[in-house]
Amino acid sequence: KNEVEQSPQNLTAQEGEFITINCSYSVGISALHWLQQHPGGGIVSLFMLSSGKKKHGRLIATINIQEKHSSLHITASHPRDSAVYICAVRWRGSNYKLTFGKGTLLTVNP
Amino acid sequence: DTGVSQDPRHKITKRGQNVTFRCDPISEHNRLYWYRQTLGQGPEFLTYFQNEAQLEKSRLLSDRFSAERPKGSFSTLEIQRTEQGDSAMYLCASSSAGGRETQYFGPGTRLLVL
Repeated sequence: KNEVEQSPQNLTAQEGEFITINCSYSVGISALHWLQQHPGGGIVSLFMLSSGKKKHGRLIATINIQEKHSSLHITASHPRDSAVYICAVRWRGSNYKLTFGKGTLLTVNP
Repeated sequence: DTGVSQDPRHKITKRGQNVTFRCDPISEHNRLYWYRQTLGQGPEFLTYFQNEAQLEKSRLLSDRFSAERPKGSFSTLEIQRTEQGDSAMYLCASSSAGGRETQYFGPGTRLLVL
């Protein structure tokens, strides 16, 4: 079964801390997405990557294709970063369907 | 705002009633997706349209569910004879054609079946 696993499920941090959220998947993929979901439901796409590393502001996403693993890092975390972060993959051979992890609930306290 | 919009944002209904949700994708996007998300879970794929053609339906989409995209623009998702287990967030996303496009999500419709 093609699966996406995220860890941790819940993460509480103090403002300013460096955050890492992990995503592992079971078989080959063509792309991996990191998404952010705030209370109320709306989902925003943060990154789409298939190799290497991408950076946007304080967010960094990396992927290791051989190890089937990706990480999302947040530097200098802030309470407004509090949200659910979701990893989603497009399996190799599919050009549209995404399979999602359960998400990581991040709470950043001031 | 030219993002993906969904209507209504919230719906409370009684078991056995029919409900219909609408999604308006980004105007130049020809691909449209419906997902369902239950509490504490990630979204699950329901169905996919390319233009007006429904190209895939998940087995999660029972006979009570039907989706349409009649003119290749907006889409509707109807649930007939709702059950309490249908309570969830229904998310719509759209993307442009191409090999590695980003999907843009709407705000979702939260359904509560009493």
